[in-house]
Formats: sequence, structure tokens, C-alpha cells
Amino acid sequence: GAGVSQSPSNKVTEKGKDVELRCDPISGHTALYWYRQSLGQGLEFLIYFQGNSAPDKSGLPSDRFSAERTGGSVSTLTIQRTQQEDSAVYLCASSPRGEADTQYFGPGTRLTVL
Amino acid sequence: LAKTTQPISMDSYEGQEVNITCSHNNIATNDYITWYQQFPSQGPRFIIQGYKTKVTNEVASLFIPADRKSSTLSLPRVSLSDTAVYYCLVVSSGYSSASKIIFGSGTRLSIRP
Repeated sequence: GAGVSQSPSNKVTEKGKDVELRCDPISGHTALYWYRQSLGQGLEFLIYFQGNSAPDKSGLPSDRFSAERTGGSVSTLTIQRTQQEDSAVYLCASSPRGEADTQYFGPGTRLTVL
Repeated sequence: LAKTTQPISMDSYEGQEVNITCSHNNIATNDYITWYQQFPSQGPRFIIQGYKTKVTNEVASLFIPADRKSSTLSLPRVSLSDTAVYYCLVVSSGYSSASKIIFGSGTRLSIRP
């Protein structure tokens, strides 16, 4: 079946604008994860969903960041009033049940804030 | 929450065996050790996971000593295509309740002809 997909693949925006990043997980996967990866750096965990619930939102960098997941499937990461330091690749992953399951990653969305 | 420490980079040659060691001194009883591989402009890809002793699959082996405070990813007979960043990840079977997932900076492996 299809893997994790993300859209858009690239997004260029102006400072102060809001952006929405979308993740379509593998069908049937209950767990979904968002990460951020700056150029040449490791992955920074942002948030994790089990079903539609996010048990821990403390990884979100600021209150400008929010995420939701509906129907136990598609997730949207929203960044309000974008700043230049938000420029990074945003990666989404899903896993069958969560916990210690293997995570399957999407190709990422490259966000550039001018 | 178990933090991991890996070498920043390693170099090797085609056909050699490469061992990458990860330290996770405060690993908890219900933690698993997972390794991912990431190529440029791609998301990470699962390589192998283990809890204790040795695990082997078609691409790698994972060695975990009895105290589980470290683990070693072994790549047999590497090729140029194994050039990538390798991440060691310790995940708790209970992380749904609170923990963050820390990938760390990874080990940048460069394979030369």
C-alpha cells in the first residue's frame, strides 16, 4: 500500500504568514508523529498522536505551533505568524500502534520563511 | 527518558564491516533500542530494533550487552550506498503517556571506494 505522504513538498512563505502542513499516514496506523529537522541537524520531536489525541504537546516549540488529527487519519500542523527560525524540513511518521513500533516516515515538507 | 550519545561521524571503505556504538546509560526496563538510517532529502528509514542480546536481519545486526547501557549497530560489508546518517533511538513502551522521542544528532557514515 501507499506510504506516508506529505503536502506540500515545498512551501515558501513570508514572515508573519500562517502555514498549514498536511500528513496522510499509512492506512490503519493509529499513531502519528511530527518532527522538525533543521539543515544538517537531527530530528526534533514535536508532537505525537494516538488516534485523534495528543497526550503530550510539550514538544511544540511555541504557542504559534498547533496540530490536529481528525478521523484517526490525516493530520495538519499549523504554524501561525511564521518566523525565519521556523525554516526547516517538517517530517511526519506513522506507526501501527505507537509505543515502540517502527515509525514509517514521509518525505517531508521543506518550509522556507523569507 | 534515556538520552543517547553517538559519534558524530565515521569513515570506512567498501567491503568493510562498520560498527556504530550508541550509549544510553539511563535506559529503563521497558525501553527498546531502535536504529534508523537517513539519506539526504529523505525521511529516516527503520533498520533494526532490539531489547537485549543480539538481533539480526537482512541488512544489519544489533548487539546489546547485558546491562543494556549501550548498543552497537553492525553493518556487514558496506557499500557506497550505505553512506547516510544513522540514528540510535531509545523508545519506551510507555511513551504515549508523557515522554518525548529523542533522535539525537546521529552518526554521519561516509563510505569510500
